[in-house]
Amino acid sequence: QVQLQESGPGLVKPSETLSLTCAVSGDSISNYYWSWIRQPPGKGLECIGYISHSGGTNYNPSLKSRVTISVDTSKNQISLNLISVTAADSALYYCARVSPGIGVDYWGQGTLVTVSS
Amino acid sequence: DIQMTQSPSSLSASVGDRVTITCRASQSVSKYLNWYQQKPGKAPKLLIYGISSLQSGVPSRFRGSGSGTDFTLTISSLQPEDFATYYCQQSYSILWTFGQGTKVEIK
Repeated sequence: QVQLQESGPGLVKPSETLSLTCAVSGDSISNYYWSWIRQPPGKGLECIGYISHSGGTNYNPSLKSRVTISVDTSKNQISLNLISVTAADSALYYCARVSPGIGVDYWGQGTLVTVSS
Repeated sequence: DIQMTQSPSSLSASVGDRVTITCRASQSVSKYLNWYQQKPGKAPKLLIYGISSLQSGVPSRFRGSGSGTDFTLTISSLQPEDFATYYCQQSYSILWTFGQGTKVEIK
């Protein structure tokens, strides 16, 4: 059974960097795409971006200048860095697996990040 | 960006009702249309991919249909565990986008 577990600080100060890690267990991160998706409290879902196991990335244009998604195959982990955060970046951040031709078929439980001084 | 618009935003229904949720894309998304279910405090769950393919383990009362820009999720007989928020999502363009969600509530 594939499991994804996000981790990282729950509170980040404005203008600082949000850094999250997603540990994948139960399967290799090879042969899949991996995505970060966020959801502000009480609101809808927004794709931040995604990465292939080989490291190719695609980012939401609205976040592209601030976001980096990377993969560490040796640790079976995916990471998210979002710089210069504001209160608008406060959200539940999900790590998710994307199966080609299918969709986002596995999700982490999500980690809540609040941007506040 | 491809905009995804769902209707209605919310609906009230009773157990056993047939429920229909629509999703309209601002341009054709070909076959790249998925549906997700999200319950409070939980991550979304993939229900249907490729317009009409049922994800493994999803009950057959869920059905997806449509083409091009107009899509529908139908629940043939609403069950208590189906009260949730449903999202459509397109993966046709490089930037994946979701609809705003449809909340299905108990009447």
